[in-house]
Amino acid sequence: LAKTTQPISMDSYEGQEVNITCSHNNIATNDYITWYQQFPSQGPRFIIQGYKTKVTNEVASLFIPADRKSSTLSLPRVSLSDTAVYYCLVEPGGSYIPTFGRGTSLIVHP
Amino acid sequence: GAGVSQTPSNKVTEKGKYVELRCDPISGHTALYWYRQSLGQGPEFLIYFQGTGAADDSGLPNDRFFAVRPEGSVSTLKIQRTERGDSAVYLCASSTTSIDTQYFGPGTRLTVL
Repeated sequence: LAKTTQPISMDSYEGQEVNITCSHNNIATNDYITWYQQFPSQGPRFIIQGYKTKVTNEVASLFIPADRKSSTLSLPRVSLSDTAVYYCLVEPGGSYIPTFGRGTSLIVHP
Repeated sequence: GAGVSQTPSNKVTEKGKYVELRCDPISGHTALYWYRQSLGQGPEFLIYFQGTGAADDSGLPNDRFFAVRPEGSVSTLKIQRTERGDSAVYLCASSTTSIDTQYFGPGTRLTVL
């Protein structure tokens, strides 16, 4: 499995855009990039998945450069409720066991 | 509809005791997963059920851990002779099929004294 590296923690303020970058230098051709969000005292929640270029949904955007060796999760105009741990996963298509690292703890301040 | 539920939400036990943790998946989800999450770490896979059978139990740390899903719905994770190192949050997830999005429950926080 491709190893991922992401910051341990980040701080932001309400209304700002937050970008969390994940490095995955040895990503394989059949790997997909998936991000999960975990609030305190809850299980992780799938937020977005992509293979290349850009993916956008109602929660976030995912930017993937052409070489796919990194990806950036973008959260527009964060609020206090976006305080959570964000996990970047790189998994083969069809994999049923997500492998979580330590994630990035995002704290949004008033 | 209802999401994945887990009971109890908290369990405190003494070293050496037996515990059972219950997971109620989303109705109709055939795939069910158990994970363990230690403080400051991401969830770690334990076991995966497809229907009633354990399709992959490679994550169970040792033979003190066992899980069942007798009717293909509710699952129980059983831990024998608990040790202090078993203290963690135990998460359950379910999905429509094995490659679909997994929906996690809130977890059971197990504390072994």
